[in-house]
Amino acid sequence: GAVVSQHPSRVICKSGTSVKIECRSLDFQATTMFWYRQFPKQSLMLMATSNEGSKATYEQGVEKDKFLINHASLTLSTLTVTSAHPEDSSFYICSAASGGTGELFFGEGSRLTVL
Amino acid sequence: AQSVTQLDSHVSVSEGTPVLLRCNYSSSYSPSLFWYVQHPNKGLQLLLKYTSAATLVKGINGFEAEFKKSETSFHLTKPSAHMSDAAEYFCVVSEGFQKLVFGTGTRLLVSP
Repeated sequence: GAVVSQHPSRVICKSGTSVKIECRSLDFQATTMFWYRQFPKQSLMLMATSNEGSKATYEQGVEKDKFLINHASLTLSTLTVTSAHPEDSSFYICSAASGGTGELFFGEGSRLTVL
Repeated sequence: AQSVTQLDSHVSVSEGTPVLLRCNYSSSYSPSLFWYVQHPNKGLQLLLKYTSAATLVKGINGFEAEFKKSETSFHLTKPSAHMSDAAEYFCVVSEGFQKLVFGTGTRLLVSP
């Protein structure tokens, strides 16, 4: 089946630094990608929807200046957590929608720990 | 807005016994419903999906779910649990074009 790759799978950073997480669709073109956040033992919350070549659409309560999303190509979306703080520590998961079938595929997630 | 409620945060079964994970949905129109499984520190894998075709949906790894409109339910079942089934399970409803709304999850524990 289709594969979505996230990198890095784990990242530890100091408070105040910025961290970039990549989400790649390896064998299909993804016109739309979604970014989710998952706190420990909780469900996934949609953060934003990114469409290739246009600005991301953020869910209510998500700071667009804090979580920068770029979807520059049909196979790559990036999430940058700017000036990270300990409360940003979380599991971030992306999903990509196949442009052909519309089916969604999930990455394996990236665990961010901010010290 | 659409939503799903997973009635149990934890379900414990013995290996070889049946599994039942409960999910109720709320939707103003005919919904698309999904079950996803998440193993620790992993992404999500689609188990099965309902999109207004047959009400009994068969998925991977022996799982199936039945859509019951009269009960607004979409419970996940498996006749015989395996140790490898231990994971977090999410009931999900689609809120329109690929936008998914997740339930709070049910952790399945399988004992030998």
